[in-house]
Amino acid sequence: DTGVSQNPRHKITKRGQNVTFRCDPISEHNRLYWYRQTLGQGPEFLTYFQNEAQLEKSRLLSDRFSAERPKGSFSTLEIQRTEQGDSAMYLCASSLSNTQYFGPGTRLTVL
Amino acid sequence: GQQVMQIPQYQHVQEGEDFTTYCNSSTTLSNIQWYKQRPGGHPVFLIQLVKSGEVKKQKRLTFQFGEAKKNSSLHITATQTTDVGTYFCAGPERDDKIIFGKGTRLHILP
Repeated sequence: DTGVSQNPRHKITKRGQNVTFRCDPISEHNRLYWYRQTLGQGPEFLTYFQNEAQLEKSRLLSDRFSAERPKGSFSTLEIQRTEQGDSAMYLCASSLSNTQYFGPGTRLTVL
Repeated sequence: GQQVMQIPQYQHVQEGEDFTTYCNSSTTLSNIQWYKQRPGGHPVFLIQLVKSGEVKKQKRLTFQFGEAKKNSSLHITATQTTDVGTYFCAGPERDDKIIFGKGTRLHILP
């Protein structure tokens, strides 16, 4: 257990529905990252925060994806109008330096 | 953008045999990190290498950072069933954004 928690652990939704995931990082970590991982692939960068500021968003991320980190603590990742291609493991990681401490992930299945 | 490539994609070894995975970056890296992901688990940090030519050991694992800081390797001596998993290297595109390779999946044959 790295100290990073994610909820829910699993989410099954129908195409077109909106979903929201939550990540609680290690409390003293100022950086928070969101990744997407599909079978046989490495974690794919989505976006990251330094404190409450969102510093970068992947060009691969459509406008249906949005992330927030109010007050620089927990973060939420929302996917609007889900598509079957959104099915993946969504990983959150926090860090103080380069080292990433990953949470257990939220597995999203879009039917 | 920066690319991080790993070979091989898969490796099957007999228990007790050695295993090596290689990582290559399209750009010079300030540091390189290695992670292990067990089946059904999440990536777990193993080590970070910073200096050109650096070699670090963790029990049966030996990590090397190339002289040009564009490549790295992980070598496992005398593999055990507990070594099963996917090994990822990762390097910073900038100070904060980390790019992961696709990983090498290690399978141990008993």
